[in-house]
Amino acid sequence: QKEVEQDPGPLSVPEGAIVSLNCTYSNSAFQYFMWYRQYSRKGPELLMYTYSSGNKEDGRFTAQVDKSSKYISLFIRDSQPSDSATYLCAMSGSGSARQLTFGSGTQLTVLP
Amino acid sequence: DAGVIQSPRHEVTEMGQEVTLRCKPISGHDYLFWYRQTMMRGLELLIYFNNNVPIDDSGMPEDRFSAKMPNASFSTLKIQPSEPRDSAVYFCASRNRGLETQYFGPGTRLLVL
Repeated sequence: QKEVEQDPGPLSVPEGAIVSLNCTYSNSAFQYFMWYRQYSRKGPELLMYTYSSGNKEDGRFTAQVDKSSKYISLFIRDSQPSDSATYLCAMSGSGSARQLTFGSGTQLTVLP
Repeated sequence: DAGVIQSPRHEVTEMGQEVTLRCKPISGHDYLFWYRQTMMRGLELLIYFNNNVPIDDSGMPEDRFSAKMPNASFSTLKIQPSEPRDSAVYFCASRNRGLETQYFGPGTRLLVL
C-alpha cells in the first residue's frame, strides 16, 4: 500500500462547477500538507500549504486537512478552464529536509 | 529570481550512452532534490542534498545513477549507461530551510531509445 493515495481521475467538469480533490495517507508522522498544480509539460508549482489540521482559503481555493481521518481535500470554487491541470497532493514530516511524499496526481479538465 | 533552472529541457539518446542532467537551484536555497516522474510510478524522490552534501540517496534506482553537487549553485544527475526504462521526466527542486516547501524546475524530458 502506498503512503499517499490519490484518485488519478481523469475528472472532467463544466466551467463554474465546484471541484473536490482528495488524498488519503497512512503515515501519522505527516504534519505538512501541500497541493501542487502541474500544467502539461511543466514542473509542479505550489498551490496551497497547510500545517496540521484545519482549513485554509486562498481565493477560489480551499484546502482542508483532517488528521484524525488521515484525509486531505482541495476545493476549487467557480472552476475555470485555466484550472485544467494535474493536481498533486504532497506531505512531509517535521524533519528539517521536509522530504515530500507525493500522491499520483488527479488530472482535471474544466470544460468551457 | 529566475527560479530553478534545468538543462537540457529535452534529451534523446541511445541505450548505453551516458546522460548528464543539470540543475541550478534558487540562490540561497540550501536543499536540493532530484525527482523522476513517470506515468506508472508518479513523482519519486531520487536523492537530496543539504549544503552541497548528499543526505539520502535511497531513491536512486541503481548504481548506474549518480548525483553530485560541487557547489551551492550547481548539481548534476548522471546516468551511465542509460537504458530505455530510464525514460522519464527528471525534476530538480530546491528549498530554503526557512521555507515550508520546495520549488521545482521545468524538468528534463529524457527519452532513451
